[in-house]
Amino acid sequence: AQSVSQHNHHVILSEAASLELGCNYSYGGTVNLFWYVQYPGQHLQLLLKYFSGDPLVKGIKGFEAEFIKSKFSFNLRKPSVQWSDTAEYFCAPLPNNNDMRFGAGTRLTVKP
Amino acid sequence: TAGITQAPTSQILAAGRSMTLRCTQDMRHNAMYWYRQDLGLGLRLIHYSNTAGTTGKGEVPDGYSVSRANTDDFPLTLASAVPSQTSVYFCASSEGGGTGELFFGEGSRLTVL
Repeated sequence: AQSVSQHNHHVILSEAASLELGCNYSYGGTVNLFWYVQYPGQHLQLLLKYFSGDPLVKGIKGFEAEFIKSKFSFNLRKPSVQWSDTAEYFCAPLPNNNDMRFGAGTRLTVKP
Repeated sequence: TAGITQAPTSQILAAGRSMTLRCTQDMRHNAMYWYRQDLGLGLRLIHYSNTAGTTGKGEVPDGYSVSRANTDDFPLTLASAVPSQTSVYFCASSEGGGTGELFFGEGSRLTVL
């Protein structure tokens, strides 16, 4: 059965610290990979996506993610977090059948 | 541009009653989705639809039904609500085919007493 796993439930960082959030997926076929962000009180919005090509993709607000096919991973990174990055982050592999399931999410708290 | 419109925004419902959450999109997207979001569990897929006239079950379909009579509308029905269905429900749409970004509605907060 397809599944997605986010390793960190809650991450607390100080401003300017580096961030890496883990995501591993288990799917039988080709998938496209997404990271979504949900700011407090808002709905989810796209942070970045990977379809093909360069496995290092850059998204909005200085976020990037690296697709490592051999590890079935798509980890999210940011070199220096800001207080405004406080949010919940969701990894989502999207297979061609559109059965799109999200990871349980990682709550990021950035202390000013 | 409206995008995804969900209604109601919030609802309190007695257990055993039925309820339909409405979702309408104006982007002519093929695929539509219903998720529920619960603390500590993230978003879980309830049902989805690849195109008008077709639906599929997600991770947690029990107690819910959907229909997709046309491209724009994807209502979610709880036939007999139970307290465990208390949640925030999000509708989303995408172009489909596995390549599209999901666009989300603002959510519907449902409390079942």
